[in-house]
Formats: sequence, structure tokens, C-alpha cells
Amino acid sequence: NAGVTQTPKFRVLKTGQSMTLLCAQDMNHEYMYWYRQDPGMGLRLIHYSVGEGTTAKGEVPDGYNVSRLKKQNFLLGLESAAPSQTSVYFCASSYMAGTYNEQFFGPGTRLTVL
Amino acid sequence: KQEVTQIPAALSVPEGENLVLNCSFTDSAIYNLQWFRQDPGKGLTSLLLIQSSQREQTSGRLNASLDKSSGRSTLYIAASQPGDSATYLCAVTPYNNNDMRFGAGTRLTVKP
Repeated sequence: NAGVTQTPKFRVLKTGQSMTLLCAQDMNHEYMYWYRQDPGMGLRLIHYSVGEGTTAKGEVPDGYNVSRLKKQNFLLGLESAAPSQTSVYFCASSYMAGTYNEQFFGPGTRLTVL
Repeated sequence: KQEVTQIPAALSVPEGENLVLNCSFTDSAIYNLQWFRQDPGKGLTSLLLIQSSQREQTSGRLNASLDKSSGRSTLYIAASQPGDSATYLCAVTPYNNNDMRFGAGTRLTVKP
């Protein structure tokens, strides 16, 4: 099993450009999450999904959109990138929520917006 | 709003020492608490998950405790090794909420 994979690993954008980050998991997990990690701060939840075709906002959703068309994939989109979106983005998945919400993480995507 | 704090931000110890990392949270209404390890430039690896009804979990040289009433968790690492050098993060899952909240982490260095 590959676990959770993320594409691409690195990306540099200019302000105003758009891009999509892809997350894939092969563990048949229902729940998927997108986080960002900034220096000196913990991870913050951007959006999450509780199943195919569903999405919900997390703590910092502004400037991002997501889609979960297939159970194994969760896409994070930036429509008009801003320098404040320079960060490391992590995708995670879990089989259940609540008490048994053990999350498994991908390797991350390092995004720089100039 | 749930806030998670980890102190100290960085810790350096000689090899072989036993050590404790601290995590505190402001709201005791949680489903669980999870400890992660993060190596530089890498993703997070789950170390231990403690359900709200449990008081501790053990895996090898790691032991994590949870005191929900006081809003505290500790990660005990026995006989530390240079390979334990990494950043350790704790995170809580609040009740009725999928928004897992993370601490900023403790950067551990174990010197040979």
C-alpha cells in the first residue's frame, strides 16, 4: 500500500495563478483532510470531506476550494494564488471520525507564491 | 475555541536520557489525543492515539498519558537515541467536530 500520496511535491506560482493539488489514498478511508503548516505554527485545517461527493470548511478555508469526486481522491484548488498562501500543504485520511479518528498523512507539498 | 500548546518549543538532550514532552489543551471535550512525529521536510507519522476514555498508551520506548480534566498530555521517551531527533506534535479531536487542532510542536535533538 502506498498510503497517502500527494502531487506535486514542490511548486512555485506567481501571484494570481491557479493550481490544483492532488491527494490520493489507497486505504479505502471515508474521511480526507487538507491542512497547511506555517513556520512556528501547528497544522491548520483548510477543508475536509466525510465521504465521496461531500466537502466542508475547516478553520482556514478562504482562498481555497476542494472536490471529492472519487472516494480515493481529494483535490485542493487555489483559484488566484496570493503570497499569504505560501506554505506546506498536507493531506490526511482516516477510516472513522470521532474517538477512532486516527489520521494518516501524506508527505506534503511545498508551495511558494511569488 | 480549542487551543493546543506544547512546551518547550525545542529540547536538546544527550543520548540515553529519559525525557518528557508536554502538551496542554484548553477544552476537555475531546474524542482523542494523538501524538505525531515529523522529520524535516517530511509528513507526519502517527505515534500514539489515546481515546478520551483511556489514560495512557504505550508503544516500545514511548508512553503517552492523558489527563482530560486538567487538559494535559505527556509523551515519555525512554533511553533516547539520536534517531529520535525530530519534531513531535500533539493534536486533539474536539467533540462533534472534525477540526483536529494541533500544537506547534517540540523540536527534539538527541546528541550522540
